[in-house]
Amino acid sequence: AQSVSQHNHHVILSEAASLELGCNYSYGGTVNLFWYVQYPGQHLQLLLKYFSGDPLVKGIKGFEAEFIKSKFSFNLRKPSVQWSDTAEYFCAVGSGGYNKLIFGAGTRLAVHP
Amino acid sequence: GAVVSQHPSWVICKSGTSVKIECRSLDFQATTMFWYRQFPKQSLMLMATSNEGSKATYEQGVEKDKFLINHASLTLSTLTVTSAHPEDSSFYICSYSYNEQFFGPGTRLTVL
Repeated sequence: AQSVSQHNHHVILSEAASLELGCNYSYGGTVNLFWYVQYPGQHLQLLLKYFSGDPLVKGIKGFEAEFIKSKFSFNLRKPSVQWSDTAEYFCAVGSGGYNKLIFGAGTRLAVHP
Repeated sequence: GAVVSQHPSWVICKSGTSVKIECRSLDFQATTMFWYRQFPKQSLMLMATSNEGSKATYEQGVEKDKFLINHASLTLSTLTVTSAHPEDSSFYICSYSYNEQFFGPGTRLTVL
């Protein structure tokens, strides 16, 4: 069965620090990989996605993620975080495009000015 | 992006009562939608998938008679938690699939 593991439940950073959130998945077939963000009091929003092609994916707001097939990983990165990046971040695996997403437990990021 | 609303945003009910949660897509029509539940500090877990005009497909371990899903139209889906018990207390989130998944803001259910 598919599963997604996010290594950090809580991350606290100062503004301008670099960010890397870990995500590992288990699935035997072709996967589609996603990062979603949920700002306080708001809906889940798609941050970026990987279906195929270049394993380094760029998303909105300066975020990027790298798909490393051999490590079953899809880590999220941002070189310099801002206070407005304070949110909860979810890694997800899907099959068949955007259907049937399996989510990780989420990482709560707090950025201090 | 597309907008999905849920009503109510939170509900408190007594054990044994039924609770209906509505999920609406406000600016698009989609045939496929999903219901998730999220326990505190845990992942979103997919409960069921439904296509408009057909029965929902429930994930393993989810009781279809307890969590009734009615995908009434291309813009409205409802989840009814029947005979709710305290262990059903959770955060319920719907999403519509239209090129990508668009999520509602969630409904927090507390069963006393």
